[in-house]
Amino acid sequence: GESVGLHLPTLSVQEGDNSIINCAYSNSASDYFIWYKQESGKGPQFIIDIRSNMDKRQGQRVTVLLNKTVKHLSLQIAATQPGDSAVYFCAEMTGSNYKLTFGKGTLLTVNP
Amino acid sequence: EAQVTQNPRYLITVTGKKLTVTCSQNMNHEYMSWYRQDPGLGLRQIYYSMNVEVTDKGDVPEGYKVSRKEKRNFPLILESPSPNQTSLYFCASRVTGGAYEQYFGPGTRLTVT
Repeated sequence: GESVGLHLPTLSVQEGDNSIINCAYSNSASDYFIWYKQESGKGPQFIIDIRSNMDKRQGQRVTVLLNKTVKHLSLQIAATQPGDSAVYFCAEMTGSNYKLTFGKGTLLTVNP
Repeated sequence: EAQVTQNPRYLITVTGKKLTVTCSQNMNHEYMSWYRQDPGLGLRQIYYSMNVEVTDKGDVPEGYKVSRKEKRNFPLILESPSPNQTSLYFCASRVTGGAYEQYFGPGTRLTVT
């Protein structure tokens, strides 16, 4: 079946650097994408979302890029901080039942 | 505070002993859903509900039941738990219509021995 996946299972960066987390999706009918952050012992927390009619969206220190041609999604975190250390999931929504299909996750570690 | 709550947060039980994990949201969301999270498999949807008395299967519904008698509550029922249902469970809710985020609860860690 179709699934959302991630290129890198782990990413280690230095504090202050920019981080880029990638995600490949295979369902061309997906029309909404979300990035979630999950800290240890907590539920997924919304970071930023993007609709399929957009290719870029910016939030506070985060930017999501969507490339529908190659079915690729990325999350950029500027000036990464130790508090950004977590697992990051991309998720896609397809259809009218609001079902989210999640990628496996990328563990981001920020070194002080 | 807008939130999704789950109880219990941790549960250890034995095979075959019926249990219920409760989920409640205070945001008046129509849509609610249950996921399980397993290492290497990510988050997978168990059941979802589009509104009161409307429920449907997700990707991994076997061994689970749900009910939606009230808008705010969406309990997950394991009639006869088995060890392969040992997992981390999350409840989520959102508004219907359009592209909006799902809000997740804090999770319930279930161990079935």
